[in-house]
Amino acid sequence: GNSVTQMEGPVTLSEEAFLTINCTYTATGYPSLFWYVQYPGEGLQLLLKATKADDKGSNKGFEATYRKETTSFHLEKGSVQVSDSAVYFCALSDPQGGSEKLVFGKGTKLTVNP
Amino acid sequence: GAVVSQHPSWVICKSGTSVKIECRSLDFQATTMFWYRQFPKQSLMLMATSNEGSKATYEQGVEKDKFLINHASLTLSTLTVTSAHPEDSSFYICSANRLRDMHTGELFFGEGSRLTVL
Repeated sequence: GNSVTQMEGPVTLSEEAFLTINCTYTATGYPSLFWYVQYPGEGLQLLLKATKADDKGSNKGFEATYRKETTSFHLEKGSVQVSDSAVYFCALSDPQGGSEKLVFGKGTKLTVNP
Repeated sequence: GAVVSQHPSWVICKSGTSVKIECRSLDFQATTMFWYRQFPKQSLMLMATSNEGSKATYEQGVEKDKFLINHASLTLSTLTVTSAHPEDSSFYICSANRLRDMHTGELFFGEGSRLTVL
């Protein structure tokens, strides 16, 4: 079955530090990959996505590249801000494989200190 | 963008009462809506998948008589927690897909509803 494994947190960084949150996946078909972000007390928002191998998703300074050879979709940001403090979820969807469900990783809590 | 709204955003109720949470897609028609429960330490658990006009499909271990889901229209799904108990206290989140995004699987999420059962 499909699954997502992401780096366990919590992650604590100082402002302007480099961020990497690792995510690897297992899928039977050709999934789309997502990073969702959840700010305190809120629902999930799509941060970025990639729908095929070698695609790079980017938004708000965050990037992730769909690597089929390593089945990975690591999230990176060159210089984090305090406002990036949130929980980040890696997810996959495999509608062509017959499932429209999103499969989530367990989430990684990021705290950025000034 | 596609907007999904949940109501209420938080609710406190007495043990034994029932609580209804609404999930609406405001600017698109949602072919499918999903209900999640978020436990402490963040993990999201898919509870059920609902399609307009048909019975919801529940995930293994989710009591369908406890968590009633109704998807009466293409823009509204409701989750009713029946005879709520303190262990049902949680953050419930709905999501919806949009027809034009079905090939990618992207979902749009509501703001979540915090349920506290006393």
